[in-house]
Amino acid sequence: EIVMTQSPASLSVSPGERATLSCRASQSVPINLAWYQQKPGQPPRLLIYSASTRATGIPARFSGSGSGTEFTLIISSLQSEDFAVYYCQQYNNWPPGGTFGPGTKVEV
Amino acid sequence: QVQLVQSGAEVRKPGASVKVSCKASGYTFTRYYLHWVRQAPGQGLQWMGIIDPGDGSTTYAQKFQDRVTMMRDTSTSTVYMELSSLRSEDTAMYFCACSLTNEYYFHLWGQGTLVTVSS
Repeated sequence: EIVMTQSPASLSVSPGERATLSCRASQSVPINLAWYQQKPGQPPRLLIYSASTRATGIPARFSGSGSGTEFTLIISSLQSEDFAVYYCQQYNNWPPGGTFGPGTKVEV
Repeated sequence: QVQLVQSGAEVRKPGASVKVSCKASGYTFTRYYLHWVRQAPGQGLQWMGIIDPGDGSTTYAQKFQDRVTMMRDTSTSTVYMELSSLRSEDTAMYFCACSLTNEYYFHLWGQGTLVTVSS
């Protein structure tokens, strides 16, 4: 099973600043990588799929990049509503639903 | 609108079973696969299994293989997840989520169902 790691575990950022989140896979997943945002008491929300494609309705300040084993999510100018936990998910390999990283908490 | 609506919170004793429902609306039921993902308190996300609403076929994560059953009712556009032999470690929020049939990222999620296992 592919193991996903995320760094940092938490990130303190001020509104308006840029946040860079990293995700690494233990083996190559080409571009079969998604990013989710989760706020307390809510389900995850799809932000990015295929490593760099924004999901419907996701603002342009969210961008994803990478391929193979190294991936990055950038939030170009943090808004108050962006403070949340961010998870990456590989869906290239078994199990069918993929595996998730442990998350990065973005806080003020 | 397109949505998944799950059943309400449940409390069970260790050794019991629980059955959670997820009703799909706003799209053709058989268009997307349905998955179950759980999240223990303060923890990350763990995929449990997938069901094809079209033919009812399922695949389960090895961790839950012996204890989970997923089924669907096409007449009500509802999928169900039953987890048996519950233990305290099964206390978690359980989510259903949709994926395309050829790429298993989750573009739509239910609101979650909290299952608490306590004696």
